[in-house]
Amino acid sequence: DQQVKQNSPSLSVQEGRISILNCDYTNSMFDYFLWYKKYPAEGPTFLISISSIKDKNEDGRFTVFLNKSAKHLSLHIVPSQPGDSAVYFCAAPRGFGNEKLTFGTGTRLTIIP
Amino acid sequence: DVKVTQSSRYLVKRTGEKVFLECVQDMDHENMFWYRQDPGLGLRLIYFSYDVKMKEKGDIPEGYSVSREKKERFSLILESASTNQTSMYLCASSLAGRGYTFGSGTRLTVV
Repeated sequence: DQQVKQNSPSLSVQEGRISILNCDYTNSMFDYFLWYKKYPAEGPTFLISISSIKDKNEDGRFTVFLNKSAKHLSLHIVPSQPGDSAVYFCAAPRGFGNEKLTFGTGTRLTIIP
Repeated sequence: DVKVTQSSRYLVKRTGEKVFLECVQDMDHENMFWYRQDPGLGLRLIYFSYDVKMKEKGDIPEGYSVSREKKERFSLILESASTNQTSMYLCASSLAGRGYTFGSGTRLTVV
């Protein structure tokens, strides 16, 4: 049962434009979400997170939005840069204090120069 | 910076071989994890360890075992490698509530 879903396996965006990556979840008990970024032949690195008490969290060019009623979160990157080309995973802890993360299937973002 | 080191970047093994994947972290993290990454399936948890000699099965433990004899080292063992275990294997560690630090991954090919 895929509790965290990324329905777009790939996305191409022109450099300088906004990239929007989406993630849906089914478990209403999830209260914290993370985005990781992964380059080929490297491990994922933490990008940004959001707690369910917020609906938005911003860090430089990266903003994550959370819509709890829709069980949907999105990652906005603006402006998109070539170095943003990577696979992006959303993830959620499996319960309060639970160290195990459930990851989505990932979205491969390609920034076109 | 926390470092998680996986001993091999690329491995090629034969079907039926016993395979050891090693992972070492240098920041005294209590939690360590093994995931595999496959196209279209994302990252799936194989095993988790929350302390020395303590382990917990993840979502896909079949065909795998683990060992954690020291806090800094978490080994994944493929008892008898099969072609469906060809994958990217990712080790991670965490301190409670502070997210994961991943290693660079081991791409294992079983022929």
